Amino acid sequence: ETGVTQTPRHLVMGMTNKKSLKCEQHLGHNAMYWYKQSAKKPLELMFVYSLEERVENNSVPSRFSPECPNSSHLFLHLHTLQPEDSALYLCASSQDGPSRGNTEAFFGQGTRLTVV
Amino acid sequence: GQNIDQPTEMTATEGAIVQINCTYQTSGFNGLFWYQQHAGEAPTFLSYNVLDGLEEKGRFSSFLSRSKGYSYLLLKELQMKDSASYLCAVRDHGPRGSTLGRLYFGRGTQLTVWP
Repeated sequence: ETGVTQTPRHLVMGMTNKKSLKCEQHLGHNAMYWYKQSAKKPLELMFVYSLEERVENNSVPSRFSPECPNSSHLFLHLHTLQPEDSALYLCASSQDGPSRGNTEAFFGQGTRLTVV
Repeated sequence: GQNIDQPTEMTATEGAIVQINCTYQTSGFNGLFWYQQHAGEAPTFLSYNVLDGLEEKGRFSSFLSRSKGYSYLLLKELQMKDSASYLCAVRDHGPRGSTLGRLYFGRGTQLTVWP
């Protein structure tokens, strides 16, 4: 248990479906992240939120839409995905700021997404 | 982005020592992390280096040379449960105007420990 919880753990969706991934952190961190992990590829940073404000969007297609309603919750809304979007989606959180040394990111267990 | 390179696979036997190397090229280095990831599980933090030298934590140690863009993770007294993927990650200073560093990962090294 890392203090970061993701739901659902597994998701199968059709290309025309709309679904959402949820992440919740219980660590009091001020930054949250979405990563994509595909087979044989490194973890890819998708989005970064700091104090509920999006500070990073790594050229992710618009069919992925993040939402951060507060510092403890992060969502990834999915719409008209492609089969190549099938991957493990990992959420992470960390405590960051100018007056602190960098701390490690804590990861959730991930959502295994299959697009059919 | 970053260019992070580590071996794809390594094997070792129980009780042995294994060294996993990581080389990187970065603009604005702000720390190097090692994570362990078992199949189907979340990556978990192992170590952090920001200054040159060796950091020791029990059976695991990590070394950093910033001038060479090089790090290694040393695992001693290997156990079967150490079979996992080991991820090298480099943090930068983040985009201009941001206080957040971004964490970039290598592909991971799949370590298999044999009895």
